[in-house]
Amino acid sequence: GAGVSQSPRYKVAKRGQDVALRCDPISGHVSLFWYQQALGQGPEFLTYFQNEAQLDKSGLPSDRFFAERPEGSVSTLKIQRTQQEDSAVYLCASSLAIGDGYTFGSGTRLTVV
Amino acid sequence: AQKVTQAQTEISVVEKEDVTLDCVYETRDTTYYLFWYKQPPSGELVFLIRRNSFDEQNEISGRYSWNFQKSTSSFNFTITASQVVDSAVYFCALRPGGYQKVTFGTGTKLQVIP
Repeated sequence: GAGVSQSPRYKVAKRGQDVALRCDPISGHVSLFWYQQALGQGPEFLTYFQNEAQLDKSGLPSDRFFAERPEGSVSTLKIQRTQQEDSAVYLCASSLAIGDGYTFGSGTRLTVV
Repeated sequence: AQKVTQAQTEISVVEKEDVTLDCVYETRDTTYYLFWYKQPPSGELVFLIRRNSFDEQNEISGRYSWNFQKSTSSFNFTITASQVVDSAVYFCALRPGGYQKVTFGTGTKLQVIP
């Protein structure tokens, strides 16, 4: 596609509910990243894929967070048993080659109530 | 460890004024990359520029210019003749060479008043 597409745009979850956030990167982009952005803060790194391989997941805050990219294109970020502190905007980004500037999606705003 | 500091939380300027957004970084790596991103109210982060640590030449792109000084670990961004459409949050970011993880600053919110 022309840009990075994320869905849903907004998600309200009850505490304890599981959620799945989807990212469609730009076609052909090798690298895919997930970031978490709390209100008034800069994005914080969560995880990174190169094709289907998850090369860095050091930013995932707990084992309730899980990301996958099984065919090297679409990625899903799953959060189990959501907590209020998970409320944030989740940003996906992709890049054609290692080291390029990222192209970001518009994000998914998750609110846990 | 990497760190990016944007000390200016919010800046307001009147249209057509020049404005400089400050960025100071910390890294132990000798090879690294610096970035600026713009985040308008719509929320999507827009890539503006990437510089590598070996290239201290300043860059100008239209009304935008960047001043990279390794001696002071700074990578400042100047908007000349600001316009209302420049109103956004601007993030400075750092990526060490050989790694993909990018560390962002906390952002500077720029408001350009007509």
